[in-house]
Amino acid sequence: GAGVSQSPSNKVTEKGKDVELRCDPISGHTALYWYRQSLGQGLEFLIYFQGNSAPDKSGLPSDRFSAERTGGSVSTLTIQRTQQEDSAVYLCASSLYRNQETQYFGPGTRLLVL
Amino acid sequence: SQQGEEDPQALSIQEGENATMNCSYKTSINNLQWYRQNSGRGLVHLILIRSNEREKHSGRLRVTLDTSKKSSSLLITASRAADTASYFCATDEWGGSEKLVFGKGTKLTVNP
Repeated sequence: GAGVSQSPSNKVTEKGKDVELRCDPISGHTALYWYRQSLGQGLEFLIYFQGNSAPDKSGLPSDRFSAERTGGSVSTLTIQRTQQEDSAVYLCASSLYRNQETQYFGPGTRLLVL
Repeated sequence: SQQGEEDPQALSIQEGENATMNCSYKTSINNLQWYRQNSGRGLVHLILIRSNEREKHSGRLRVTLDTSKKSSSLLITASRAADTASYFCATDEWGGSEKLVFGKGTKLTVNP
């Protein structure tokens, strides 16, 4: 079956502009996660959605970052007024149930803020 | 701070040799997972070991878990050039927040 997909694959934007990153999880997966990975670094947790529960936003680095998940499926990560330090690969993952299950990752969106 | 910390940060070996990577963590866990990442893109799940398990095998992969030392190791036997990738451990905190926490990874290079 289809895996996790993300779009766009690459995004170049100017400092101060807003960007939206999209994630389509595996059908039927109730949990969805966003991570950020800077060059040569590990994964930094951003936000976690589980079913209809309130999302865990504890990893969002600033109020410029927000995410929503509509209809329990597709998710959009929005970064407002982008800064150069936002440049990174943004990875989305989904899992069947709660967080501790195996996570299936999308290919990521590489964001470059000029 | 990271729950899981991999060691070494980088490892370079010849094809056919075994590669061992280690992961240490700080708190009690429910399970520990190992993931692989090629070229800075999406991660691929390799193996999950539960806190009541001590060893697990999958093909050329062998994972051990020592909860008394709060450490795990990933052994890749008879390595191949295609095994070149970064390897991450991920842990969840028993009784804690429902987040998997990833380490910074070990970058493995297998030279042909």
